[in-house]
Amino acid sequence: DVKVTQSSRYLVKRTGEKVFLECVQDMDHENMFWYRQDPGLGLRLIYFSYDVKMKEKGDIPEGYSVSREKKERFSLILESASTNQTSMYLCASSFRETGVYEQYFGPGTRLTVT
Amino acid sequence: AQSVTQPDIHITVSEGASLELRCNYSYGATPYLFWYVQSPGQGLQLLLKYFSGDTLVQGIKGFEAEFKRSQSSFNLRKPSVHWSDAAEYFCAVGVEDSSYKLIFGSGTRLLVRP
Repeated sequence: DVKVTQSSRYLVKRTGEKVFLECVQDMDHENMFWYRQDPGLGLRLIYFSYDVKMKEKGDIPEGYSVSREKKERFSLILESASTNQTSMYLCASSFRETGVYEQYFGPGTRLTVT
Repeated sequence: AQSVTQPDIHITVSEGASLELRCNYSYGATPYLFWYVQSPGQGLQLLLKYFSGDTLVQGIKGFEAEFKRSQSSFNLRKPSVHWSDAAEYFCAVGVEDSSYKLIFGSGTRLLVRP
C-alpha cells in the first residue's frame, strides 16, 4: 500500500514563527504536492514538485516556500506564520507517467496560528 | 481555465436511500476526472476515476459515476447509502500538462440520517 505520512496531525504556532511541515512518501513517486483545505474552498494547490530540487508554484504560493532535497520528502515552510494561514494542510504524491494523475494523500496537518 | 463546480455544499439522505452528488467541470479537451472521499480527520481517498472508454465507471465502496460530455458532468451515485458513507466528497479534474495537477471542486458534505 502506498503510504504518505505527515509529521504532525495537529500543530499550534504563534504569529511570526517559522513553521515546517514535513511529508514523506514510500512509493518512489516523482510528483509531490502541497494543498491547503478550507471550508467552502476545497483544496487549493500551494506548491508542487516533479523531481528532487525542482519546485513549481501552485495557485496560492504567497507566504509559503518548499524544499525537496530527497525524492521521498517534500517540506512546506511558512517563513513567518500568520493567522490567515490557519488551515488544514494536505500532502499528496503521484507517479509522473503520461496520463497518470492519481494522487495519494497523507492524513493532513491541522495548523492553528495564534 | 479549468474549473470544477460542486453545486451542493451539503446533502442529507436517509440510510438506505439512493445518492447522487453533482459535479460539473470546465475543460477544453477530454478530461481526466476523479472522485475522492474524505472521512472526518482523514486524508483523501480515491473512489473512482475516468480517463477514457466506458462512460459509466465503477469505484470502491459501491460507488459509480457517469461521464456525460454533453453536460460537462461527472455525477457520483450510490444506490443505497450506509451510515459509514457520511463524509466529504470532492470531484477533481486532471490538468493535461507536465504538472499532472488536479483541480478540485469545493466539496459536498454528505450527512446520513439513521
